[in-house]
Amino acid sequence: NAGVTQTPKFQVLKTGQSMTLQCAQDMNHNSMYWYRQDPGMGLRLIYYSASEGTTDKGEVPNGYNVSRLNKREFSLRLESAAPSQTSVYFCASASGLAFYDEQFFGPGTRLTVL
Amino acid sequence: KQEVTQIPAALSVPEGENLVLNCSFTDSAIYNLQWFRQDPGKGLTSLLLIQSSQREQTSGRLNASLDKSSGRSTLYIAASQPGDSATYLCAVPKAAGNKLTFGGGTRVLVKP
Repeated sequence: NAGVTQTPKFQVLKTGQSMTLQCAQDMNHNSMYWYRQDPGMGLRLIYYSASEGTTDKGEVPNGYNVSRLNKREFSLRLESAAPSQTSVYFCASASGLAFYDEQFFGPGTRLTVL
Repeated sequence: KQEVTQIPAALSVPEGENLVLNCSFTDSAIYNLQWFRQDPGKGLTSLLLIQSSQREQTSGRLNASLDKSSGRSTLYIAASQPGDSATYLCAVPKAAGNKLTFGGGTRVLVKP
C-alpha cells in the first residue's frame, strides 16, 4: 500500500496563476482532508470530505476549491494564487467507519507563490 | 473553541535520556487525541491514538497518557535515540467530521 500520495512535491507559481494539487489514497478510506502548515500557525484545515460526494469548509477555505473525484481522490484547486497561499499543503485520510478515526497523512506539497 | 498547546516549543536532550512531551487542550470534551511525528521536510506519521475512554496507550518505547479532566496528554519516549529527533505534534478532533485541531508542536533534538 502506498498510503496517501500527493502530487506535485514542489511547485512555484506566479501571483494570479492557477493550479490543482492532487491527492489519492489506497486504503479504501471514506473521509479525506486538506491542511496547510505555516510557521507559527501550525496545521489548519482548509476543506474536508466526510464521504464520496460531499465536501465542507474547514477553518481557512477562502481562495481554495476542492473536488472529491471518487472515493480515492481529493483535489485542491487554487484559482488565482496569492503570496499568502505560500505554504506546505498536506492531504490526509481516515477510514470514517468510526466517527473519530486515526488520520493518515501524505508527504506534502511545498508551494511558493511569487 | 478548542485550543491545543504544546510546551516547550523545543527540547534538547542527550541520548539515552527519557523524553517527556506535553500537550494541553482547553475543551475536555474530546473523543480521542492523536500524537504525530514530523521529520524535517516530510509529512506527518501517526504514532499513537488514545481514545477518550483510555488513560494510556503504548507502542514500543512510546507511551501516551491522557487526563481529560485536566485537559492534558503526555507522550513519553523511553531511552531516547538520535533517530527520535523530530517535531512531535498532538491533535484532537472537533465535534463533527473528525476535523483535527493541532498543537504547535515540540521540536526535539537528541544529541549523541
